[in-house]
Amino acid sequence: GQNIDQPTEMTATEGAIVQINCTYQTSGFNGLFWYQQHAGEAPTFLSYNVLDGLEEKGRFSSFLSRSKGYSYLLLKELQMKDSASYLCAVRELGNTPLVFGKGTRLSVIA
Amino acid sequence: GAGVSQTPSNKVTEKGKYVELRCDPISGHTALYWYRQSLGQGPEFLIYFQGTGAADDSGLPNDRFFAVRPEGSVSTLKIQRTERGDSAVYLCASSPRGTTEAFFGQGTRLTVV
Repeated sequence: GQNIDQPTEMTATEGAIVQINCTYQTSGFNGLFWYQQHAGEAPTFLSYNVLDGLEEKGRFSSFLSRSKGYSYLLLKELQMKDSASYLCAVRELGNTPLVFGKGTRLSVIA
Repeated sequence: GAGVSQTPSNKVTEKGKYVELRCDPISGHTALYWYRQSLGQGPEFLIYFQGTGAADDSGLPNDRFFAVRPEGSVSTLKIQRTERGDSAVYLCASSPRGTTEAFFGQGTRLTVV
């Protein structure tokens, strides 16, 4: 079975740092993905982790611990345009499709 | 085109009718995925094509749903005898091979009245 958990909603202040957590329980593991989705738009790819550790890409970083079934997305220097849903997704094996969590709706306030 | 294209962007249909949703993936992408997303939820997997064949259709909710990709490029998701519960945004995604990230289209918002 598959279980991917992330908080439903978060609020943070412009200019601050926010960490969005994701825990997963899957029968296999072949990578964890983070997507950003603005209301009414398509999900867009943010990051990919397959090995333990931190991947940094500009203001966004993603961390993975495979032994703990845990990942987080870190957003620095928050901007109003970062208000969106952030989706955690896991690929279980080989070419299998991504399995998504329900998403975390982030609101950035002034 | 540059990205994944889905048509129509919006579709309103009456309960019991048949609908077809089209997806035009990024040129050269062999893997194509259909997902369904309800308000406040993450995308829910429906079916996955590798080339022309359906590699995994375990997410299709019942036999009213069917999808084809006859030439390994454009795909059509077909829903028979639509029900109000089928109302959702239907997302299509493609990737150059199944192990990389998927690129999503803008989706088709289906409303069954």
